[in-house]
Amino acid sequence: EIVMTQSPVTLSLSPGETATVSCRASQRIATSLAWYRQKPGQAPRLLIHSASTRATGTPARFSGSGSGTEFTLTISSLQPEDFAVYFCQQYHNWPPGTFGQGTKLEIK
Amino acid sequence: QVQLQESGLGLVKPSETLSLTCTVSGSPFKDYFWNWIRQPPGRGLEWIGYVSATGDFHYSPSLRTRVTISLDTSMKQLSLRLNSVTAADAAVYYCARSPTNYFVSGIYDNWGQGTLVTVSS
Repeated sequence: EIVMTQSPVTLSLSPGETATVSCRASQRIATSLAWYRQKPGQAPRLLIHSASTRATGTPARFSGSGSGTEFTLTISSLQPEDFAVYFCQQYHNWPPGTFGQGTKLEIK
Repeated sequence: QVQLQESGLGLVKPSETLSLTCTVSGSPFKDYFWNWIRQPPGRGLEWIGYVSATGDFHYSPSLRTRVTISLDTSMKQLSLRLNSVTAADAAVYYCARSPTNYFVSGIYDNWGQGTLVTVSS
């Protein structure tokens, strides 16, 4: 099983700042990497797939990068609705695919 | 637009069977895999399995002996049955759609809102 490790576990920032979340795969997954945002009490929502392609409706302030084993989600100019939990997910080996443990982005 | 809505009993006794339904609207069934994913409170996401409109299915190895996922396209419903539940099966259960397109097969592009299942006698 491919293990996905996110860092940091918690990120404390203020609105308007830029957030950077990292995700590392235990083996190479090319660009088969997705990012999701989960607001409290809601289902995850797909933000980015193929490491850097924004899903329909994802604002331009979200960007993804990386390939192989190292990936990054960058959120510029943080909005109030961005304070949530973010998950990465590999689908290079799907099924089952695996998720990272999540990064909580909280208001500083 | 695409909508997925889970329903079912929120309380199941240990050793009994968990049974959930997901009603789909606004989406064809072909060209997609239909998944169940769960999330224990305060924890991460675990894929349970999928079924396709062509009858293909695949289950998580850790749940394979206890799970059945089925699709009723005429009723526009996806179903999950999980036998012999324990406290470890308590979670929010989501249904989610994945495209069958090779390059993005495995992403979850639409999710239901989730339903909480508690396991207790």
